[in-house]
Amino acid sequence: AQKVTQAQTEISVVEKEDVTLDCVYETRDTTYYLFWYKQPPSGELVFLIRRNSFDEQNEISGRYSWNFQKSTSSFNFTITASQVVDSAVYFCALTPSGGQNFVFGPGTRLSVLP
Amino acid sequence: ETGVTQSPTHLIKTRGQQVTLRCSSQSGHNTVSWYQQALGQGPQFIFQYYREEENGRGNFPPRFSGLQFPNYSSELNVNALELDDSALYLCASSLGTATYGYTFGSGTRLTVV
Repeated sequence: AQKVTQAQTEISVVEKEDVTLDCVYETRDTTYYLFWYKQPPSGELVFLIRRNSFDEQNEISGRYSWNFQKSTSSFNFTITASQVVDSAVYFCALTPSGGQNFVFGPGTRLSVLP
Repeated sequence: ETGVTQSPTHLIKTRGQQVTLRCSSQSGHNTVSWYQQALGQGPQFIFQYYREEENGRGNFPPRFSGLQFPNYSSELNVNALELDDSALYLCASSLGTATYGYTFGSGTRLTVV
């Protein structure tokens, strides 16, 4: 069975602080894909990143960075110099190669205060 | 390139009634999936449609059913509504499997009273 855990239910930071959102997953598949999505109040899930299980390189995109560690089954997401517009619920998700659906974590609600 | 559009955005139904939610997939995407997101939780997979056939289903009862049309748009039907069906219903389109990720719509907020 597959499972995604996001232990942080809610996080509040002050603007310009760095913040890391944790994601731990469980799977028996050898090839799988991990995703992060952002859900603003409008409800739409916005794609942030896709990573396959064979690519353990960290990735940086502007203020966003991701740390994938297969040894600890973690795929953490860091926002540097957070902004109020980063306030949203963030979901980590998992699917096996060729999978039909995502298994989502419960989400982390991030509030960035001015 | 248009994204995924869902209608209606909100609706209120009475327990026992039936509801139909609609989704137009992103241009070029041939697969539509539906997810239920209860308040404060992550989305849960309901089912997926590919080439107008159900191609996978999550742990939802048969009163949740769907259709996909030749233009890849889709409907989600829920019969005999229960209070616990109150949720945000998200439609997601993709080109084939979930491996390449989804484009999500903004959802339909269903309230059952």
